[in-house]
Amino acid sequence: SQQGEEDPQALSIQEGENATMNCSYKTSINNLQWYRQNSGRGLVHLILIRSNEREKHSGRLRVTLDTSKKSSSLLITASRAADTASYFCATATIYNQGGKLIFGQGTELSVKP
Amino acid sequence: NAGVTQTPKFRVLKTGQSMTLLCAQDMNHEYMYWYRQDPGMGLRLIHYSVGEGTTAKGEVPDGYNVSRLKKQNFLLGLESAAPSQTSVYFCASSRRGTNYGYTFGSGTRLTVV
Repeated sequence: SQQGEEDPQALSIQEGENATMNCSYKTSINNLQWYRQNSGRGLVHLILIRSNEREKHSGRLRVTLDTSKKSSSLLITASRAADTASYFCATATIYNQGGKLIFGQGTELSVKP
Repeated sequence: NAGVTQTPKFRVLKTGQSMTLLCAQDMNHEYMYWYRQDPGMGLRLIHYSVGEGTTAKGEVPDGYNVSRLKKQNFLLGLESAAPSQTSVYFCASSRRGTNYGYTFGSGTRLTVV
């Protein structure tokens, strides 16, 4: 079963606009991570937010975490065509052994020039 | 640093054939993972390893075997390939512990006919 559910499944925006993707999960977590996957490539780690953190920034990325609602959001500001990719959230559950991550199904982001 | 290297990148197998996928990392990571990615299913964990000589089952282990004889290598074997194993396979590694991101390889696209 999937721990993370992402919304929307697909998002199309114009360059310069902001993109927001959401992730909901079911069980308690140690941390939540976001990854990017360009077409035909492996996933690239973007950012990790721990369960005791509420917000984290990295460049144009802003991640929030609401453990009471079991949800997270990824905001990409001032998007660029190069941001076109699939974005996945992944959770490390609280009873996790071996650093395992459970991935959501992803959001396909298309940024049009 | 090469990071995580997967070989081969593409392979076509006939039903019933066997093959081994190789994953090599040069970051001295303790943990290694094999995932498969299918359309609409996200990434699902097949097997993982928390150190040299250790392996454990993930979410979808049936039909696969793994070995971790050396810390830097994690092998995924298909003993008798089935069309249901047509997928993109990703290897990843991470440092020991919970709050670390993964480094992914570029994937192996496997087709079983």
